[in-house]
Amino acid sequence: NAGVMQNPRHLVRRRGQEARLRCSPMKGHSHVYWYRQLPEEGLKFMVYLQKENIIDESGMPKERFSAEFPKEGPSILRIQQVVRGDSAAYFCASSNQGQGANTGELFFGEGSRLTVL
Amino acid sequence: GQSLEQPSEVTAVEGAIVQINCTYQTSGFYGLSWYQQHDGGAPTFLSYNALDGLEETGRFSSFLSRSDSYGYLLLQELQMKDSASYFCACSNQAGTALIFGKGTTLSVSS
Repeated sequence: NAGVMQNPRHLVRRRGQEARLRCSPMKGHSHVYWYRQLPEEGLKFMVYLQKENIIDESGMPKERFSAEFPKEGPSILRIQQVVRGDSAAYFCASSNQGQGANTGELFFGEGSRLTVL
Repeated sequence: GQSLEQPSEVTAVEGAIVQINCTYQTSGFYGLSWYQQHDGGAPTFLSYNALDGLEETGRFSSFLSRSDSYGYLLLQELQMKDSASYFCACSNQAGTALIFGKGTTLSVSS
């Protein structure tokens, strides 16, 4: 399957722990986007990365959240000291060019569902 | 900032036609996209309109009026499997990300 792969699909953490969500983009794609979705809500943009660079992190909370997309390996969204309000589905999307947003077509993974107890 | 408004719910019966409207407010507009999401799974791309007019892809069509900041998704010959959430989306001002509406839940009954 050459689609966008996310893991884990489900993650349970206690308050104060760390959550790490991984995303491998579609083959040939070097642009990765992270979104958060709460129940009955739309997808909220968090961060856009290219290999080794953060291009736009305007949707990322200033504290506890970080993202990276190293030269080798998947993109990682890291949430430190999780709180109950972090419980959500986190979706990763990829595109094969920097105009992914402008051409309107992003390829999404199945998401990682974080539950904070 | 950017915002997109769409109805929260729409219901219809099999075989019917339904239209999901979307109005947007944004600067640096490139085009309007539509996505489908089943049961909280991976959103999948349906269509993209950069120019005014109607784009037809099988049972689904999408329309854009840039002067009215308005578009719609038209679903014809509805099937039960079309029950899903539908999102309109457009680029942010920087052109670096898609901004999504809150979604319209379509329920198709027999």
